[in-house]
Amino acid sequence: LAKTTQPISMDSYEGQEVNITCSHNNIATNDYITWYQQFPSQGPRFIIQGYKTKVTNEVASLFIPADRKSSTLSLPRVSLSDTAVYYCLVGGPNTGFQKLVFGTGTRLLVSP
Amino acid sequence: EAGVAQSPRYKIIEKRQSVAFWCNPISGHATLYWYQQILGQGPKLLIQFQNNGVVDDSQLPKDRFSAERLKGVDSTLKIQPAKLEDSAVYLCASSLGGGAGGPGDTQYFGPGTRLTVL
Repeated sequence: LAKTTQPISMDSYEGQEVNITCSHNNIATNDYITWYQQFPSQGPRFIIQGYKTKVTNEVASLFIPADRKSSTLSLPRVSLSDTAVYYCLVGGPNTGFQKLVFGTGTRLLVSP
Repeated sequence: EAGVAQSPRYKIIEKRQSVAFWCNPISGHATLYWYQQILGQGPKLLIQFQNNGVVDDSQLPKDRFSAERLKGVDSTLKIQPAKLEDSAVYLCASSLGGGAGGPGDTQYFGPGTRLTVL
């Protein structure tokens, strides 16, 4: 199971772009990279998932280099409501019922 | 589409008492998960069901925790007897697929039950 490493915390201001990088050096060929967001007193919420190159949705972009040993979650023009904990998870369909492991995540604080 | 439902939202008990949590997953989701989240930490998987069968309970403290998923739908998680260190938020999640992390395995979480053991 691929282990992930991400910064414990990050600070930003409203309107800035935030990039959170996750390292997953031993990612397997069939593994996908998934990011979740968790607000206080709520369960985690799916943000974005990717396998390689770049994925974009209405919330964020996910950049994955060719070697796939890391990935970067990009949040454009953050607002106060983006203050949350962000988790990077790695797992794939060929690993059976292998569980996804949530690390401690990255705590993002957005200030006015 | 209704989300994952959990009850109760909050529970306060004394140590050595028993407590049970209930979860109703999203309709049609085959996989159901119970997580324990201690303050300041990420969720830790306790048990994973595929339909009504257990596929992973390696981190479930089986001497005090038990879980079941009857008819492959609703699930209950029980702690008996509770210890102080069981104070945490208990999260239930469900996914359409088998839960390995690929497309279709997005986990949808409920609001959680905050347990305080005094």
